[in-house]
Amino acid sequence: QVQLVESGGGVVQPGRSLRLSCAASGFTFSNYGLHWVRQAPGKGLEWVALISNGGTNKFYADSLKGRFTVSRDNSKNTLYLQMDSLRAEDTAVYYCAKDLSLGTPIKTSDYWGQGTLVTVSP
Amino acid sequence: DIQMTQSPSSLSASVGDRVTISCRASQTISSYLNWYQQKPGKAPKLLIFAASSLQSGVPSRFSGSGSGTDFTLTISSLHPEDFATYYCQQSYSTPLTFGPGTRVDIK
Repeated sequence: QVQLVESGGGVVQPGRSLRLSCAASGFTFSNYGLHWVRQAPGKGLEWVALISNGGTNKFYADSLKGRFTVSRDNSKNTLYLQMDSLRAEDTAVYYCAKDLSLGTPIKTSDYWGQGTLVTVSP
Repeated sequence: DIQMTQSPSSLSASVGDRVTISCRASQTISSYLNWYQQKPGKAPKLLIFAASSLQSGVPSRFSGSGSGTDFTLTISSLHPEDFATYYCQQSYSTPLTFGPGTRVDIK
């Protein structure tokens, strides 16, 4: 069965960096696009980034303004999110999610991890 | 960016009720509209994709309709496990955007 397990969350000071990982299993990792979606405490869902199956194409939320970088290692079945210059408003649960479509992403997430909490605080 | 709105923001209903949630896009998105269900402390779950296609394993009491800018999620007969928050999301173009959510709770 499809499993996505995020890690790397924690408490970090404003301005610092953090890298999240998402370990995948149960599907052919290199065939699917992958998403990061976040949810601030008590708030709604906010899409963060999408990376294509081969890693060539990357898309980001406008609000991130180049501070976040998505990448993947298909040899390790792992997705990453590098987060730099963190701000208090980046505090959220970060979810990784698999795209529904084989090959070209259709920008729909069918399987989600359990999430990892990032808290940005002095 | 495409803005998504939902109505109502919350509703109270009873088991067995028919529930309808609306979602509107700020510009036409054809049928590129998904619906997710989220329960407290859990990850979202895909219910409907491409406006009206039922995701595998999702009960048939859930249905979606609409195209262009106006969409609807319908639960034909509310079950106890359906009390949750529901989000629409456009998959027409990046940046992908979600609606603010509709909370369905017990009357």
